[in-house]
Amino acid sequence: GEDVEQSLFLSVREGDSSVINCTYTDSSSTYLYWYKQEPGAGLQLLTYIFSNMDMKQDQRLTVLLNKKDKHLSLRIADTQTGDSAIYFCAKEAGTALIFGKGTTLSVSS
Amino acid sequence: DTEVTQTPKHLVMGMTNKKSLKCEQHMGHRAMYWYKQKAKKPPELMFVYSYEKLSINESVPSRFSPECPNSSLLNLHLHALQPEDSALYLCASSQEPFRTNEKLFFGSGTQLSVL
Repeated sequence: GEDVEQSLFLSVREGDSSVINCTYTDSSSTYLYWYKQEPGAGLQLLTYIFSNMDMKQDQRLTVLLNKKDKHLSLRIADTQTGDSAIYFCAKEAGTALIFGKGTTLSVSS
Repeated sequence: DTEVTQTPKHLVMGMTNKKSLKCEQHMGHRAMYWYKQKAKKPPELMFVYSYEKLSINESVPSRFSPECPNSSLLNLHLHALQPEDSALYLCASSQEPFRTNEKLFFGSGTQLSVL
């Protein structure tokens, strides 16, 4: 079946760049998403990319897609303490989304 | 208004109680979803409503009963739950039933504890 994998933890210092990685198994053309979840809250859609694109930039966020390696990354520039959250990579699968297990980003000042 | 509103935010119930979770959106979305999220786990799809009709039930136990009274409202009726049902229940909506690049808008969730 389809699978989405993420590393579980990332710790960075305030002002540094954060890079959160994700890999997926199915190579069919589709959209890939990044969601942010703060403690006790719902999921907030951060950005998305279609699988025929290599890169998408939106303010501090840069999404890179290596379709050959089925590797997706989210780069957060100038990481702030308010960026501390769990980040989920998600991929379309029919009528639903398949989520990775989430990467907990911890930002220290 | 780009919000999905869920009530209550927190709910504690006993195994013999009957309670309901509510979800509301006023974006004119025709697809609404219930997801269940255990602590430190990704969300798991439970139900999908398309044009107020149940289109997907991901083999959810009958102690969870969804209802879509109209296009803006989605309920989840709970009865005879078990402690392992304790989780964050997330509602989401999208313009159309999930199709390519149909963005999901999530509510903040109801944190449910079953004692």
